[in-house]
Amino acid sequence: AQSVTQPDIHITVSEGASLELRCNYSYGATPYLFWYVQSPGQGLQLLLKYFSGDTLVQGIKGFEAEFKRSQSSFNLRKPSVHWSDAAEYFCAARPGSSNTGKLIFGQGTTLQVKP
Amino acid sequence: NAGVTQTPKFQVLKTGQSMTLQCAQDMNHEYMSWYRQDPGMGLRLIHYSVGAGITDQGEVPNGYNVSRSTTEDFPLRLLSAAPSQTSVYFCASSLAGTFRTGELFFGEGSRLTVL
Repeated sequence: AQSVTQPDIHITVSEGASLELRCNYSYGATPYLFWYVQSPGQGLQLLLKYFSGDTLVQGIKGFEAEFKRSQSSFNLRKPSVHWSDAAEYFCAARPGSSNTGKLIFGQGTTLQVKP
Repeated sequence: NAGVTQTPKFQVLKTGQSMTLQCAQDMNHEYMSWYRQDPGMGLRLIHYSVGAGITDQGEVPNGYNVSRSTTEDFPLRLLSAAPSQTSVYFCASSLAGTFRTGELFFGEGSRLTVL
């Protein structure tokens, strides 16, 4: 079955430190991949997306993600975390051949930033 | 620039009551969907629609009904609310089509409590 897994439920990093959030997918072919961020009490905002081409994609707020086909991964990174990055992060995927917008989401990773 | 609008933002129901969560988008998106968000479970798809007059079930459809009479609106109905339906509900929309990346645009959510 198609699935998206985020192995880390909760991560704490110090402000200014680097960040990597993990995401693994299980699909028959390369899916379209997304990272969303959710601030407390808010809806989800798209950070970045990958559907083809360069495997390193840049997003908003200084985030980037790297698609690795061999590892079925799409990890999110940021070189230097700011206190405002504290939020919940969701990885999502859908089949590239799909003609709907039906996304499957991972369980989410909550990021806490220490001062 | 409204995007996706959900109402109400908060609702408390008693077991057995019915209600409708409203969702409207002004981006002319073909695809609309409803997700529920529960702690540790990410977002799970309830129902979705690829256009007016077309709806389909997602991962957790039981206890919910939807209809899509216009492109803009996609209401979610709870016919007889149960405590297990206590959750945060998100409406999301996107452009559909095989060659579109299909990133979802989310509303701000509706927090429902069933007593």
